[in-house]
Amino acid sequence: QVQLQESGPGLVKSSETLSLTCTVSGGSISSYYWSWIRQPPGEGLEWIGYIYYSGNTFYNPSLKSRVTISVDTSKNQFSLKLRSVTAADTAVYYCARSGRSSPRWFDPWGQGSLVTVSS
Amino acid sequence: QSVLTQPPSVSAAPGQKVTISCSGSSSNIGKNYVSWYQQVPGTAPKLLIYDNDERPSGIPDRFSGSKSGTSATLGITGLQTGDEANYYCGTWDSSLSANWVFGGGTKLTVL
Repeated sequence: QVQLQESGPGLVKSSETLSLTCTVSGGSISSYYWSWIRQPPGEGLEWIGYIYYSGNTFYNPSLKSRVTISVDTSKNQFSLKLRSVTAADTAVYYCARSGRSSPRWFDPWGQGSLVTVSS
Repeated sequence: QSVLTQPPSVSAAPGQKVTISCSGSSSNIGKNYVSWYQQVPGTAPKLLIYDNDERPSGIPDRFSGSKSGTSATLGITGLQTGDEANYYCGTWDSSLSANWVFGGGTKLTVL
């Protein structure tokens, strides 16, 4: 079955760029939408954005000015960059598959990657 | 403040039934499919229900979903202690600021 695994630094300095990669195994990244979702400690879920395997993207309007999601089909990976981070960006970041014909659900999810923004 | 409104907590005894509501508007639940997620603390969320009332393979039929107008409901029958978790609803919001939105989450306690 398809499995997702996030990777990247667990500590990022304030004002710098957070970078994470999600590696998809057990299946192809093609023909699906793929999302990033985050969860601040003790809080709920916030969708960051999605990318279609062809490269089309759609972002949360509240984060759009700072976010870039990209895909590398040759490596079966997609990535997240969040610029100019602050303490408010401290969260567990999840990657998830988002549907085939449209991004209607999230399944499966990666285990999550805690990113702490330090001053 | 979440776009989708869920009760902060619900509780019931083992073996009983519980429902969790998710209230939205005409631009989100009223227009798009709803999905539900179970998150045991310290783990990643898991898809329970998609397209309002469909269960992925491997999800027991104790879990059910429904939608009416601008509200959706998750039902869990035959409660087990392992069902203690946080539950989130989610859907696409087709307003001017198009966006995927989640409810604030509901903590289920099995007494």
